[in-house]
Amino acid sequence: DQQVKQNSPSLSVQEGRISILNCDYTNSMFDYFLWYKKYPAEGPTFLISISSIKDKNEDGRFTVFLNKSAKHLSLHIVPSQPGDSAVYFCADAGGTSYGKLTFGQGTILTVHP
Amino acid sequence: GAGVSQSPRYKVAKRGQDVALRCDPISGHVSLFWYQQALGQGPEFLTYFQNEAQLDKSGLPSDRFFAERPEGSVSTLKIQRTQQEDSAVYLCASSTRSGYGYTFGSGTRLTVV
Repeated sequence: DQQVKQNSPSLSVQEGRISILNCDYTNSMFDYFLWYKKYPAEGPTFLISISSIKDKNEDGRFTVFLNKSAKHLSLHIVPSQPGDSAVYFCADAGGTSYGKLTFGQGTILTVHP
Repeated sequence: GAGVSQSPRYKVAKRGQDVALRCDPISGHVSLFWYQQALGQGPEFLTYFQNEAQLDKSGLPSDRFFAERPEGSVSTLKIQRTQQEDSAVYLCASSTRSGYGYTFGSGTRLTVV
């Protein structure tokens, strides 16, 4: 079975500094991962993705790194802003042809002004 | 509408009561997913539809859970004889056939008392 683990339940960062959120996985079929951001009382919104043909993907302040040998990915947010405060989920999308997602438990990011 | 709409937003059910949760996906989206998110956890896959066909129901936790999408648009998740462990946020997501461009609804928070 696919498993995705986010071992840090929470992270607190000062505005302007870097936020690093980590995710470990097992048994991914295709090594295709997504990061979602979730505000309270809202559904998750897609942030950024990475596939096995790359080890890095960048979109503005957000960069995701994939280390396939270590089965580890990380999301870097630079610079962090108070509006980034949310719950962040990594998800493995590689288990089926139709994109069934296996989510981690989430990390609560708090960015202090 | 522009997004995925779920109703009701909140539902309180007495143990043993049947409930029905509705999802209106984005118009034209072929794929529809249901996820269950328990408190402090990531969303967990329940079931997947492609148009009106339910192609994967492997995540439904028991035969008390039933989902349908009879005309390939609106979907209903029904839970019979609700139990306290059914308390969770139920998320619906839709996407086009081709990719992983999921759009999640805001969810229905079910509390069984």
